[in-house]
Amino acid sequence: GENVEQHPSTLSVQEGDSAVIKCTYSDSASNYFPWYKQELGKGPQLIIDIRSNVGEKKDQRIAVTLNKTAKHFSLHITETQPEDSAVYFCAAQAPGTYKYIFGTGTRLKVLA
Amino acid sequence: EPEVTQTPSHQVTQMGQEVILRCVPISNHLYFYWYRQILGQKVEFLVSFYNNEISEKSEIFDDQFSVERPDGSNFTLKIRSTKLEDSAMYFCATTWGAGETQYFGPGTRLLVL
Repeated sequence: GENVEQHPSTLSVQEGDSAVIKCTYSDSASNYFPWYKQELGKGPQLIIDIRSNVGEKKDQRIAVTLNKTAKHFSLHITETQPEDSAVYFCAAQAPGTYKYIFGTGTRLKVLA
Repeated sequence: EPEVTQTPSHQVTQMGQEVILRCVPISNHLYFYWYRQILGQKVEFLVSFYNNEISEKSEIFDDQFSVERPDGSNFTLKIRSTKLEDSAMYFCATTWGAGETQYFGPGTRLLVL
């Protein structure tokens, strides 16, 4: 079945710098990749997603890129702010189903 | 903005007891999911539910688990006889269409003693 790997597990950046989180997936038939942000004590909140028919999607300071050949996708946050500090999860929709397979999460800390 | 809500936010129970976790989906959503997250681990899929039937379930979702939509609004997860290893955060997720983005609730933290 589908498996998703996520790196790094923790990431500290200075406020204003960029942060990049990378994920790889195993099943080339996967076609939908959401990213979720989880703040302490809250559920995962969708921040951006991408489908396999596009290579990049941007929403203000957040962008996601997808490389189908290499089976990896990345989250890019520019001009980071302290409120970006959270745990970020990537996910892939398992082919032939609607369930999500999640990565292990990245704890991002933005230092003021 | 509409949100998925879950109750209770926290539950402590004794091993062997039954627990029911409740979710109120976003109003026009038709597809429902339960996931769980053991402390420090990945979010894992448990079950999906549509049209009053289970669509898919994982290996974790054994006979001690059940789901239902008792009143057309709430969506519940029942664990019949809890085990220590059931301690986790349980998330409900809902979506209006198959394959569409899933929106997660805030979770219920279950602690089995």
